Amino acid sequence: GAVVSQHPSRVICKSGTSVKIECRSLDFQATTMFWYRQFPKKSLMLMATSNEGSKATYEQGVEKDKFLINHASLTLSTLTVTSAHPEDSSFYICSAQSGVGETQYFGPGTRLLVL
Amino acid sequence: QKEVEQNSGPLSVPEGAIASLNCTYSDRGSQSFFWYRQYSGKSPELIMFIYSNGDKEDGRFTAQLNKASQYVSLLIRDSQPSDSATYLCAVGPQRGGYNKLIFGAGTRLAVHP
Repeated sequence: GAVVSQHPSRVICKSGTSVKIECRSLDFQATTMFWYRQFPKKSLMLMATSNEGSKATYEQGVEKDKFLINHASLTLSTLTVTSAHPEDSSFYICSAQSGVGETQYFGPGTRLLVL
Repeated sequence: QKEVEQNSGPLSVPEGAIASLNCTYSDRGSQSFFWYRQYSGKSPELIMFIYSNGDKEDGRFTAQLNKASQYVSLLIRDSQPSDSATYLCAVGPQRGGYNKLIFGAGTRLAVHP
């Protein structure tokens, strides 16, 4: 149980394009989903928290107009990196949680490379 | 600033030994505590969670929590080379607090044959 999927697993795009990453909870309903990014050999950095049906809460320093988050259902959240630039290249990981304080289960991650 | 501190390592142990990973946290009101394992290039996977003071055992893994000392640890018995990874300690909110985990930077464990 508690399986979270992400798609795509890897994406390469040109600078200036937008990239959408999907996060799905496959066997439970996720009231909350979290989006993280991780640079090589660094720890996870929380970008935003999204609750189903409401606006995402962004961490300080994360541009909400650049990283658009939609949590349209209890099993799906999407992160769109708009007008991507090479500095946005990173490992993006989502996690899903069935309730406040419950365990977060992580997706396998999406490796983004912006050329 | 709520913090979770871990020794970055690497912690090197021989195969078959006990690996002891430690974590301290600053928010005394924290209610939930998690250990995740992350292999290089992969996303974190849950190993254990613990909510109450004391020990919690699951197979070769034992989590220990001491809220008075604001300390949580993970013991890995009979360490195997496949246990070589980065171990992330994560601390959850106090009741009514902002629902997010605070992660430590991770301890890199190397188990050598």
